[in-house]
Amino acid sequence: DADVTQTPRNRITKTGKRIMLECSQTKGHDRMYWYRQDPGLGLRLIYYSFDVKDINKGEISDGYSVSRQAQAKFSLSLESAIPNQTALYFCATSESGAGELFFGEGSRLTVL
Amino acid sequence: QKEVEQNSGPLSVPEGAIASLNCTYSDRVSQSFFWYRQYSGKSPELIMSIYSNGDKEDGRFTAQLNKASQYVSLLIRDSQPSDSATYLCAVPSFSGGYNKLIFGAGTRLAVHP
Repeated sequence: DADVTQTPRNRITKTGKRIMLECSQTKGHDRMYWYRQDPGLGLRLIYYSFDVKDINKGEISDGYSVSRQAQAKFSLSLESAIPNQTALYFCATSESGAGELFFGEGSRLTVL
Repeated sequence: QKEVEQNSGPLSVPEGAIASLNCTYSDRVSQSFFWYRQYSGKSPELIMSIYSNGDKEDGRFTAQLNKASQYVSLLIRDSQPSDSATYLCAVPSFSGGYNKLIFGAGTRLAVHP
């Protein structure tokens, strides 16, 4: 089993729908991140959390919210999805803020 | 100016050649630098990290860092078709009291037989 698990792996939804992407990890890391990847733009940080009570906005947090339910779980929500949120979303964990990131397998979201 | 810049490629090299991937960054105080490899349809994985000026070698991979020029590169010797992937440069950015990794857009490498 993967150390960082994302669900769903693929999702197609319609504009205006609420979507939740979930991430769970077995690595025991305190730090968790949500990135989105778009062609030509690379990985951009949406939100990050350094422990259960610590949530921080990244470069592109508008239109997104997160919840850190436990050390091992970090979910990303799109309250009202729009087409330009169509992207590949990655959850990641790390032991330190400037060290190695361990990525989940990604969640491909399409908003019609 | 983007914090981390890379040529998008594709960089096409013949099998056995040296592939040279380049990255520039804007934050002069950055102390550590990372190269991630991402195969098509897969998640990124760390392949090299470098903290000091100069070269760091790991097998066929060499990372080169020049802090004065704010430039980091990755050399892949004896390139193989299995090296075909997108290579992402990542640099920590310190803000809000935390360090977090900022990625370049990546360079796509194609190694042809």
